[in-house]
Parts: sequence; structure tokens; C-alpha cells
Amino acid sequence: NAGVTQTPKFQVLKTGQSMTLQCAQDMNHNSMYWYRQDPGMGLRLIYYSASEGTTDKGEVPDGYNVSRLKKQNFLLGLESAAPSQTSVYFCASNMGENTEAFFGQGTRLTVV
Amino acid sequence: GQNIDQPTEMTATEGAIVQINCTYQTSGFNGLFWYQQHAGEAPTFLSYNVLDGLEEKGRFSSFLSRSKGYSYLLLKELQMKDSASYLCAVLDSNYQLIWGAGTKLIIKP
Repeated sequence: NAGVTQTPKFQVLKTGQSMTLQCAQDMNHNSMYWYRQDPGMGLRLIYYSASEGTTDKGEVPDGYNVSRLKKQNFLLGLESAAPSQTSVYFCASNMGENTEAFFGQGTRLTVV
Repeated sequence: GQNIDQPTEMTATEGAIVQINCTYQTSGFNGLFWYQQHAGEAPTFLSYNVLDGLEEKGRFSSFLSRSKGYSYLLLKELQMKDSASYLCAVLDSNYQLIWGAGTKLIIKP
């Protein structure tokens, strides 16, 4: 069972570059999420998707975009990377809001 | 505003019992989660409470008091592998998860 798989695990970008973080889940979950985790702060929701083809903004969406063209995939794009986007990014999925969420192993992104 | 408070760090001894508290002020309440996160790894689910009272699951128990906006995670017979951060998260009225910053638990031999 792969669960939730994120790629890449590590990435270094230069300011202004763009990239896409990939997330795939094999549990047939309806909902998927992108979070960022910074030292001393709780997980902060960037975007979420309640079902295939739908996406909604979370707490900190600025500078990011997402797409959920297939139920199993949720992509997070950085349009023009900034040093403030240096963080650990987690993708998660679950069947619904009040159920256990399964997390990917994280992407450690550094923007220089 | 919405707020989740947890102690930043706690230290306990192997074999002992530790209680990690979480207080919350959120717009509505649809349940409270506890997750465990080892350093450099992903969070993993521990418990979910939506009704008042104590839920026991092996060495771990979670308690909820909705009237007090309070929960705790109780870890018994501590083992070195329990060294991790423990994250409290509340599902608000919009079914959005609000996360605390986490409590780093250090276990000493």
C-alpha cells in the first residue's frame, strides 16, 4: 500500500522560478489537501479539494495554484518562487473532513 | 480569531506517564484530532474525539471537554520511540482543520 506519495522529496529553487509539487493517493479518497509547515507554527492549509475537479482556497493560498484533474492526483504549483515559500509541504487525503487524514512524506523546499 | 494552544515542549522519563494539554477557541466545533509526528516525518493519526469523555486506545488515551474547550492526550508506559511532536487540531464549523503548533515530547532514559 503506497498511501499518499509526494514528489519530489527535496527541492532547491531560485527566486522567480516555478515548479509543481506532485501528490498521488491510492485510497480512493474524496478529499485532498496541501499544507505547509514552518517552525513554531501549526500546519497551514494552502488549498484543498473536496472532490475531483473542485478546489478551494485555504488559509495561505497567495503565490500558489492547484489542479485536481483526476481523483487520485492533486498538484501544487508555485508560479514565481519567493524565499518566504521556503517550507516543508505536506499533501494529505481523507474520505471526509471528520475522518483520519493520511499524509505524504513531505517536500522540503528551499528558495534562494 | 481561532486559536489552539499547546505547550511547546515537555520532558518525561521512560516508563512514566505524561499528559499533553490542548485548549482551543474556534468558530464552532466538529471534533478534535491528535496526530503524532516524528522529526522529519509525516504526521500520523492517533485519535478523534467529538463527544465529551475519555477514549482509550492502548497506551494512548484522549480526553475532551467541549464546555471548557479543552482536550488532553495521555501517554502511559512511555517508550523512547514516543519522542515526537504531538499535534492537536480542531475541526471548526466550516469543517476546516485548525492546527496547533505542536508539543515536542522528549523522553529521557
